[in-house]
Amino acid sequence: DIQMTQSPSSLSASIGDRVAITCQASQDIKNDLNWYQQKPGEAPKLLIYDTSNLETGVPSRFSGSGSGTHFTFIIRSLQPEDIATYYCQQYGDLPRTFGQGTKVEI
Amino acid sequence: EVQLVESGGGLVQPGRSLRLSCAGSGFIFAASPMSWLRQAPGRGLEWVGYIRSKSYGGTTQYAASVKGRFTISRDDSKSIAYLQLNTLKTEDTAVYYCARGLGVLRYWGQGALVTISS
Repeated sequence: DIQMTQSPSSLSASIGDRVAITCQASQDIKNDLNWYQQKPGEAPKLLIYDTSNLETGVPSRFSGSGSGTHFTFIIRSLQPEDIATYYCQQYGDLPRTFGQGTKVEI
Repeated sequence: EVQLVESGGGLVQPGRSLRLSCAGSGFIFAASPMSWLRQAPGRGLEWVGYIRSKSYGGTTQYAASVKGRFTISRDDSKSIAYLQLNTLKTEDTAVYYCARGLGVLRYWGQGALVTISS
């Protein structure tokens, strides 16, 4: 199975800060990586697909980059509504696997 | 508007069975692969498995942790995907989500809570 190592597991930031989350795959997954946001009591929401494509309706302060085994997710200017847990997910191989999640707090 | 609605969750004793349903609307269900995922209390997301559309053979794939115990099926005439959970264990306690897609999971249901306890 492809292991997805996501870091940090949690972070505390201020409104307006730049926030960065990384995800490392245990093997090459090319660009087959997505990022999801999950708020308490809600289903995950797709933010970024295929490493760097912004899902329709998602604010442009969210972005993703990387390829192969190393990926980065950025919130350019943290807003109060961004308080959530973020997950990376690979679909380069079966089984689909997720990072452990990053809880973003203010 | 795409909607996915899970149902069938509840409290079940270890070793028993349960069937979850995922009703889809707002899209061509028969043409859509469907995935199931779960999230144990306070834990991260875990992929359970998926079923392809009939035009791609309707084939299924499962996580090792559920293979042989869980079965995914679909009834395209009703726009429903099913997750049959057999021989349930306490570690199967989770919120179960259905989602449209195989890799990029763009639409998710609200989740159904399954609690395994004696």
